[in-house]
Amino acid sequence: KQEVTQIPAALSVPEGENLVLNCSFTDSAIYNLQWFRQDPGKGLTSLLLIQSSQREQTSGRLNASLDKSSGRSTLYIAASQPGDSATYLCAVNDMRFGAGTRLTVKP
Amino acid sequence: NAGVTQTPKFQVLKTGQSMTLQCAQDMNHNSMYWYRQDPGMGLRLIYYSASEGTTDKGEVPNGYNVSRLNKREFSLRLESAAPSQTSVYFCASSRLAGGEETQYFGPGTRLLVL
Repeated sequence: KQEVTQIPAALSVPEGENLVLNCSFTDSAIYNLQWFRQDPGKGLTSLLLIQSSQREQTSGRLNASLDKSSGRSTLYIAASQPGDSATYLCAVNDMRFGAGTRLTVKP
Repeated sequence: NAGVTQTPKFQVLKTGQSMTLQCAQDMNHNSMYWYRQDPGMGLRLIYYSASEGTTDKGEVPNGYNVSRLNKREFSLRLESAAPSQTSVYFCASSRLAGGEETQYFGPGTRLLVL
């Protein structure tokens, strides 16, 4: 059974810092991994989708990497802003989600 | 283009009551999903429909039934609600299941079972 873990559960950083969010999964036989953002009381918004054949995807200040052999993905956020404050979730194979990391960026 | 819509936004039920959560998408997507989100546990898949006419169980299907009414609509039914079903329910859709397509989520339905 695929297990997806996100550590830490919460993270607080000052504005302007570069930061890394982590996602680990137990079964390397995946076909994709997605990173989502969730604002309080809202649905999920997809940020980046990495296919199993890809190593990374970039969108603006966001970069997601995938290492299937080690069962890890990272989401790198450059020059963080208060507007980045949200919960970030990773999902494997569309259907298996981690519990998320709650990010707070302080002005 | 409304994306994925869910009704109702909020519902309170008594134990044993039944209700149906509605979901519709206007993106001509083939695949649709129902998840529940509980504090500290992320999202867990209840049921999904890879294409019109098919449905499959997810991780936590017990106590729920689904109907893929047509390509646009995918409903979730609670036949006899229990307090353990208090949760936030999300519907999602994607063009295809299986790897190449992003999922789009609705705003969620908050359900409280007393």
